[in-house]
Parts: sequence; C-alpha cells; structure tokens
Amino acid sequence: GAVVSQHPSRVICKSGTSVKIECRSLDFQATTMFWYRQFPKQSLMLMATSNEGSKATYEQGVEKDKFLINHASLTLSTLTVTSAHPEDSSFYICSAREGGYPYYEQYFGPGTRLTVT
Amino acid sequence: AQSVAQPEDQVKVAEGNPLTVKCTYSVSGNPYLFWYVQYPNRGLQFLLKYITGDNLVKGSYGFEAEFNKSQTSFHLKKPSALVSDSALYFCAVRDMGPAGGGNKLTFGTGTQLKVEL
Repeated sequence: GAVVSQHPSRVICKSGTSVKIECRSLDFQATTMFWYRQFPKQSLMLMATSNEGSKATYEQGVEKDKFLINHASLTLSTLTVTSAHPEDSSFYICSAREGGYPYYEQYFGPGTRLTVT
Repeated sequence: AQSVAQPEDQVKVAEGNPLTVKCTYSVSGNPYLFWYVQYPNRGLQFLLKYITGDNLVKGSYGFEAEFNKSQTSFHLKKPSALVSDSALYFCAVRDMGPAGGGNKLTFGTGTQLKVEL
C-alpha cells in the first residue's frame, strides 16, 4: 500500500518557539492531506484539510494563525506550530489522500510526538 | 452529522479465544466504514473497509468485520486472538450521502484490546 512519512517522529521544544512537522507521500501524489491531533487515550481530531496550491481548511475551534499549514507540492505538506505552549503538546498525525472523490483512500503517517517545555 | 460510537473503552480476551470489538455509526447517506489499529506512539494502520457488497469483510492479520445496516453496526472480529493483537482499535466512517459531504473521516473514541495468555 501507499506510504506516508512524517518528520520528525519526536520533537521537544521550549515554550514560545515554533516547530515544523513535515508530511510526505512517498510513492503517490496527494492533492489533499489531512492533519489530526490525538491526545492521550483519545481519538483523532481533524484539525485541517490541506489542498495543494491553496489555503488549508481549518476545523472549527482550530486557530489557523497558530497552526500554519502549507501544502507546497503534491507530495509534501507541513504543519508549523507557532509560539508553542505546553498545551500544544500532543501527538500529531497526518494523512494523505490517494484517488479521486468519493472513494479515495487515506493513508496515515506514523505521527509526531510534540512536547513543549 | 456523522458519528461513530465504540461503546467499550477496553476489551480483554484470552489468547486463542474469539474477539469482538463493537462499533455503531450514524450517517445521513450510505456509510463508507473502516477499521484501523494503532500501536503505542505509532500512526494508524489500515485493517479493512466496507463500501458495498458482501456484508462480511475480510482484512489484514485475520481480522474481519460484519456490516449490519439495520443495526447500523460494523463490529470487528477475529476467530482466535493473539497477544500481538493487543493495541488500540479505531472504527471510522465517511458519510457518502449528499448531506454528509463525503470528505471527512470521523473516528470513534477507540477500544483498547488486551489479549492475555
């Protein structure tokens, strides 16, 4: 099946700094990628939908100025957590869409553990 | 709005015994249903999906799921559990109806499966 990678797998940063997480589709082109956030022992919450060449669509309650998403190519989307605070500590998972609407597939990356100290 | 319910936070079974992880869903149109498994600090791995056709769907690692339209359920099953099956399992749905949009994957809260010797 298709492979999605994320980098870094773990990152620790100080409060107030910014962190960039990369999501790549390795063997397919993804016009759409999704960013999820997962708290311990909880489900995945969709943060935003990223479309190549256009602005991301954010879910209600997600601060677009804090979580900057850039989908610059058909294989790369980035999530930048700006001015990170301890409450931003979480597990971030990206997913890339393969295929056309409506029966497309979503492939998930291995996740990035962000810890803000 | 589409939703998924996984009524059990945890399921415990003995190795070699059959296992069932429950999932019910609510959609406005036809459902596109998925099961994923997550190991600690990892992303989601696809197990199986149902779009249409045979109500019994077979997936990876010996898992299967039964779609029941009248009960709006999609329970995950395995005839003989292994200790290595211990993980967090997520049911997910996309609503393929006109009101559902068909573009968002909604996850259940997850069920922790523990298989004991």
